[in-house]
Amino acid sequence: AQSVSQHNHHVILSEAASLELGCNYSYGGTVNLFWYVQYPGQHLQLLLKYFSGDPLVKGIKGFEAEFIKSKFSFNLRKPSVQWSDTAEYFCAVTSNQAGTALIFGKGTTLSVSS
Amino acid sequence: GAVVSQHPSRVICKSGTSVKIECRSLDFQATTMFWYRQFPKQSLMLMATSNEGSKATYEQGVEKDKFLINHASLTLSTLTVTSAHPEDSSFYICSARFTSGGISQYFGPGTRLLVL
Repeated sequence: AQSVSQHNHHVILSEAASLELGCNYSYGGTVNLFWYVQYPGQHLQLLLKYFSGDPLVKGIKGFEAEFIKSKFSFNLRKPSVQWSDTAEYFCAVTSNQAGTALIFGKGTTLSVSS
Repeated sequence: GAVVSQHPSRVICKSGTSVKIECRSLDFQATTMFWYRQFPKQSLMLMATSNEGSKATYEQGVEKDKFLINHASLTLSTLTVTSAHPEDSSFYICSARFTSGGISQYFGPGTRLLVL
């Protein structure tokens, strides 16, 4: 069965600091990886996704993630965070099989102080 | 494109009543829709996979008689919480995948259920 582990439960940063959120997954086959963001009181938004090809994926709002197959990891990064990045971040995985759902990690709360 | 709507966005009901939540794909057809539940400060937990024209597949620990799912068309899936109790209070989120394939799931805005 697939599973996703997010290492950081709560991250607190000052504006302009660099961000890296860890995500590891467990699955034996081909996976597709996602990062979602949920701003306070809002619904999920897709930040970026990896299906195949270049393991360094760029998403919206300056976020990027790197797929390292040997480490089963898909860490999210941003060189300089803003106060508006305060949100909950979820890593998710699904397989290539038709009809399979996204499985989410427990999420990481990011708090950015101005 | 790829918009998913949910109705209602918020519902408050008395214990013992049933609540129906609708999930619609507005501009695409979705053979498969998924229902998730999110408790405060927690992640999304998959409840069931809903396939158009067939019975839903429930995750372990999810009572199929309590959470009735109907996927009667390619654009509509409904989740009915039967005989709701306060512990069913949660945020229910649906998502949909294109019928034509692809991996991406598109999420609805969620429905907040409060059972008194």
